[in-house]
Amino acid sequence: SQQGEEDPQALSIQEGENATMNCSYKTSINNLQWYRQNSGRGLVHLILIRSNEREKHSGRLRVTLDTSKKSSSLLITASRAADTASYFCATDDRDDKIIFGKGTRLHILP
Amino acid sequence: ETGVTQSPTHLIKTRGQQVTLRCSSQSGHNTVSWYQQALGQGPQFIFQYYREEENGRGNFPPRFSGLQFPNYSSELNVNALELDDSALYLCASKIQVAYEQYFGPGTRLTVT
Repeated sequence: SQQGEEDPQALSIQEGENATMNCSYKTSINNLQWYRQNSGRGLVHLILIRSNEREKHSGRLRVTLDTSKKSSSLLITASRAADTASYFCATDDRDDKIIFGKGTRLHILP
Repeated sequence: ETGVTQSPTHLIKTRGQQVTLRCSSQSGHNTVSWYQQALGQGPQFIFQYYREEENGRGNFPPRFSGLQFPNYSSELNVNALELDDSALYLCASKIQVAYEQYFGPGTRLTVT
Protein backbone atom coordinates (compact mmCIF):
# COMPACT_ATOMS: atom_id res chain seq x y z
CA SER A 1 0.00 0.00 0.00
CA GLN A 2 1.10 3.59 -0.56
CA GLN A 3 2.40 5.44 2.46
CA GLY A 4 2.69 8.85 0.82
CA GLU A 5 0.20 10.56 -1.45
CA GLU A 6 1.20 13.53 -3.59
CA ASP A 7 -1.04 16.41 -4.50
CA PRO A 8 -1.79 17.56 -7.13
CA GLN A 9 -1.57 14.57 -9.46
CA ALA A 10 -0.58 16.88 -12.31
CA LEU A 11 0.60 20.47 -12.50
CA SER A 12 1.31 22.75 -15.47
CA ILE A 13 3.00 26.12 -14.97
CA GLN A 14 4.82 28.69 -17.06
CA GLU A 15 8.59 28.66 -17.15
CA GLY A 16 9.95 30.95 -14.47
CA GLU A 17 7.05 30.41 -12.08
CA ASN A 18 7.32 28.50 -8.82
CA ALA A 19 5.94 24.97 -8.51
CA THR A 20 4.60 23.58 -5.27
CA MET A 21 3.61 19.99 -4.69
CA ASN A 22 2.48 18.34 -1.49
CA CYS A 23 2.78 14.95 0.11
CA SER A 24 0.70 13.46 2.89
CA TYR A 25 1.53 10.26 4.72
CA LYS A 26 -0.17 8.03 7.22
CA THR A 27 2.20 6.75 9.90
CA SER A 28 5.12 8.18 11.82
CA ILE A 29 8.37 8.42 9.90
CA ASN A 30 12.09 8.80 10.48
CA ASN A 31 12.59 10.86 7.35
CA LEU A 32 10.96 11.85 4.08
CA GLN A 33 12.64 12.01 0.71
CA TRP A 34 11.75 13.56 -2.64
CA TYR A 35 12.75 11.98 -5.93
CA ARG A 36 12.43 13.10 -9.54
CA GLN A 37 11.76 10.81 -12.50
CA ASN A 38 12.11 11.86 -16.09
CA SER A 39 9.77 10.09 -18.46
CA GLY A 40 10.00 6.32 -17.90
CA ARG A 41 13.51 6.39 -16.51
CA GLY A 42 15.18 5.83 -13.16
CA LEU A 43 14.53 8.02 -10.16
CA VAL A 44 16.95 10.67 -8.98
CA HIS A 45 17.22 11.57 -5.31
CA LEU A 46 16.57 15.27 -4.71
CA ILE A 47 16.51 15.89 -0.98
CA LEU A 48 15.98 14.18 2.37
CA ILE A 49 14.43 15.82 5.40
CA ARG A 50 14.56 14.20 8.81
CA SER A 51 11.59 14.04 11.14
CA ASN A 52 13.18 16.56 13.53
CA GLU A 53 13.69 19.10 10.73
CA ARG A 54 11.05 21.56 9.56
CA GLU A 55 12.63 23.04 6.45
CA LYS A 56 15.50 22.26 4.14
CA HIS A 57 16.96 23.93 1.06
CA SER A 58 18.98 22.64 -1.86
CA GLY A 59 19.58 25.02 -4.73
CA ARG A 60 16.16 25.95 -6.14
CA LEU A 61 14.44 23.33 -3.98
CA ARG A 62 12.79 24.01 -0.66
CA VAL A 63 11.21 21.21 1.35
CA THR A 64 9.08 21.59 4.45
CA LEU A 65 7.88 18.93 6.84
CA ASP A 66 5.01 19.15 9.30
CA THR A 67 4.96 15.96 11.35
CA SER A 68 1.86 17.05 13.26
CA LYS A 69 -0.08 17.17 10.00
CA LYS A 70 1.88 14.29 8.46
CA SER A 71 2.60 16.36 5.39
CA SER A 72 5.47 17.75 3.36
CA SER A 73 5.79 20.19 0.52
CA LEU A 74 8.34 20.58 -2.25
CA LEU A 75 8.81 24.02 -3.77
CA ILE A 76 10.76 24.48 -6.98
CA THR A 77 11.54 28.13 -7.59
CA ALA A 78 12.13 29.78 -10.97
CA SER A 79 11.09 26.68 -12.87
CA ARG A 80 12.86 25.61 -16.06
CA ALA A 81 11.87 23.35 -18.94
CA ALA A 82 14.28 20.73 -17.58
CA ASP A 83 12.18 20.51 -14.40
CA THR A 84 9.45 18.76 -16.39
CA ALA A 85 9.24 15.36 -14.70
CA SER A 86 7.32 13.33 -12.16
CA TYR A 87 8.07 14.01 -8.51
CA PHE A 88 7.63 11.42 -5.78
CA CYS A 89 7.77 11.60 -2.05
CA ALA A 90 9.10 8.56 -0.25
CA THR A 91 8.81 7.65 3.40
CA ASP A 92 10.23 4.86 5.51
CA ASP A 93 7.86 2.31 6.98
CA ARG A 94 8.17 0.42 10.26
CA ASP A 95 10.79 -1.88 8.75
CA ASP A 96 12.85 1.04 7.40
CA LYS A 97 11.85 0.21 3.83
CA ILE A 98 11.22 3.09 1.44
CA ILE A 99 7.63 3.50 0.29
CA PHE A 100 6.76 5.82 -2.60
CA GLY A 101 3.64 7.82 -3.35
CA LYS A 102 1.94 7.97 -6.74
CA GLY A 103 3.70 11.14 -7.79
CA THR A 104 2.98 14.58 -9.17
CA ARG A 105 3.51 15.08 -12.90
CA LEU A 106 4.97 18.53 -13.42
CA HIS A 107 4.93 20.14 -16.87
CA ILE A 108 6.76 23.40 -17.47
CA LEU A 109 5.29 25.40 -20.33
CA PRO A 110 7.64 27.54 -22.49
CA GLU B 1 23.76 9.34 -13.98
CA THR B 2 24.19 6.93 -11.10
CA GLY B 3 26.57 3.98 -11.18
CA VAL B 4 23.66 1.53 -11.14
CA THR B 5 23.11 -0.41 -14.35
CA GLN B 6 20.30 -2.72 -15.36
CA SER B 7 19.86 -5.23 -18.17
CA PRO B 8 18.13 -5.71 -20.43
CA THR B 9 16.61 -2.32 -21.23
CA HIS B 10 13.47 -3.77 -22.75
CA LEU B 11 12.01 -7.25 -22.73
CA ILE B 12 8.91 -8.86 -24.20
CA LYS B 13 7.67 -12.13 -22.76
CA THR B 14 4.61 -14.32 -23.10
CA ARG B 15 2.23 -15.07 -20.27
CA GLY B 16 3.39 -18.11 -18.31
CA GLN B 17 7.07 -17.66 -19.14
CA GLN B 18 9.85 -16.86 -16.69
CA VAL B 19 12.14 -13.81 -16.74
CA THR B 20 15.39 -12.78 -15.08
CA LEU B 21 16.35 -9.13 -14.73
CA ARG B 22 19.82 -8.03 -13.68
CA CYS B 23 21.20 -5.13 -11.71
CA SER B 24 24.74 -4.00 -11.01
CA SER B 25 25.00 -1.86 -7.88
CA GLN B 26 26.95 1.32 -7.49
CA SER B 27 30.46 0.70 -6.20
CA GLY B 28 30.56 0.44 -2.41
CA HIS B 29 26.84 -0.17 -2.01
CA ASN B 30 25.91 -3.35 -0.15
CA THR B 31 22.12 -3.09 -0.23
CA VAL B 32 19.88 -3.44 -3.26
CA SER B 33 16.13 -3.02 -3.58
CA TRP B 34 13.80 -3.87 -6.43
CA TYR B 35 10.68 -1.94 -7.36
CA GLN B 36 7.84 -2.47 -9.81
CA GLN B 37 6.39 0.64 -11.39
CA ALA B 38 3.19 0.34 -13.38
CA LEU B 39 2.37 3.08 -15.87
CA GLY B 40 1.30 6.27 -14.12
CA GLN B 41 1.99 4.86 -10.65
CA GLY B 42 4.73 5.20 -8.09
CA PRO B 43 7.33 2.48 -7.58
CA GLN B 44 6.09 -0.44 -5.48
CA PHE B 45 8.65 -2.09 -3.21
CA ILE B 46 9.25 -5.75 -4.11
CA PHE B 47 12.14 -6.74 -1.82
CA GLN B 48 15.51 -5.73 -0.49
CA TYR B 49 18.76 -7.67 -0.19
CA TYR B 50 21.65 -7.04 2.17
CA ARG B 51 24.74 -9.25 2.25
CA GLU B 52 23.07 -11.79 -0.03
CA GLU B 53 20.06 -12.22 2.27
CA GLU B 54 16.53 -10.94 1.71
CA ASN B 55 15.81 -8.56 4.58
CA GLY B 56 12.49 -7.07 3.58
CA ARG B 57 9.65 -7.86 1.22
CA GLY B 58 6.66 -6.00 -0.09
CA ASN B 59 3.26 -7.38 -1.00
CA PHE B 60 4.36 -9.55 -3.91
CA PRO B 61 3.73 -13.29 -4.39
CA PRO B 62 6.49 -15.91 -4.07
CA ARG B 63 6.83 -16.16 -7.84
CA PHE B 64 8.86 -12.95 -7.47
CA SER B 65 12.25 -14.00 -6.16
CA GLY B 66 15.71 -12.56 -6.07
CA LEU B 67 19.38 -13.09 -5.52
CA GLN B 68 22.26 -10.91 -4.44
CA PHE B 69 25.78 -12.00 -5.29
CA PRO B 70 29.04 -11.46 -3.34
CA ASN B 71 29.89 -8.51 -5.60
CA TYR B 72 26.50 -7.01 -4.59
CA SER B 73 24.99 -7.37 -8.05
CA SER B 74 21.47 -8.70 -8.04
CA GLU B 75 18.83 -10.56 -10.01
CA LEU B 76 15.06 -10.40 -9.99
CA ASN B 77 13.29 -13.54 -11.17
CA VAL B 78 9.62 -13.69 -12.00
CA ASN B 79 7.97 -17.03 -12.73
CA ALA B 80 4.64 -17.76 -14.39
CA LEU B 81 4.38 -14.28 -15.87
CA GLU B 82 1.00 -12.59 -15.88
CA LEU B 83 -0.23 -9.71 -18.02
CA ASP B 84 -0.26 -7.46 -14.93
CA ASP B 85 3.47 -8.00 -14.52
CA SER B 86 4.00 -5.60 -17.42
CA ALA B 87 5.81 -2.67 -15.84
CA LEU B 88 9.09 -0.83 -15.41
CA TYR B 89 11.32 -2.72 -12.98
CA LEU B 90 13.76 -0.56 -11.09
CA CYS B 91 16.63 -1.54 -8.89
CA ALA B 92 18.23 0.79 -6.41
CA SER B 93 21.39 0.43 -4.37
CA LYS B 94 22.61 2.11 -1.23
CA ILE B 95 24.80 1.74 1.79
CA GLN B 96 22.91 -0.19 4.45
CA VAL B 97 22.90 2.63 7.03
CA ALA B 98 21.88 5.31 4.54
CA TYR B 99 18.41 6.26 3.32
CA GLU B 100 19.32 7.78 -0.04
CA GLN B 101 19.03 5.27 -2.84
CA TYR B 102 20.61 5.36 -6.28
CA PHE B 103 18.39 4.04 -9.03
CA GLY B 104 19.20 2.32 -12.27
CA PRO B 105 17.44 3.27 -15.51
CA GLY B 106 15.05 0.33 -15.27
CA THR B 107 13.97 -2.61 -17.39
CA ARG B 108 10.69 -2.26 -19.28
CA LEU B 109 8.94 -5.64 -19.24
CA THR B 110 5.97 -6.29 -21.50
CA VAL B 111 3.98 -9.48 -21.04
CA THR B 112 1.71 -10.46 -23.93
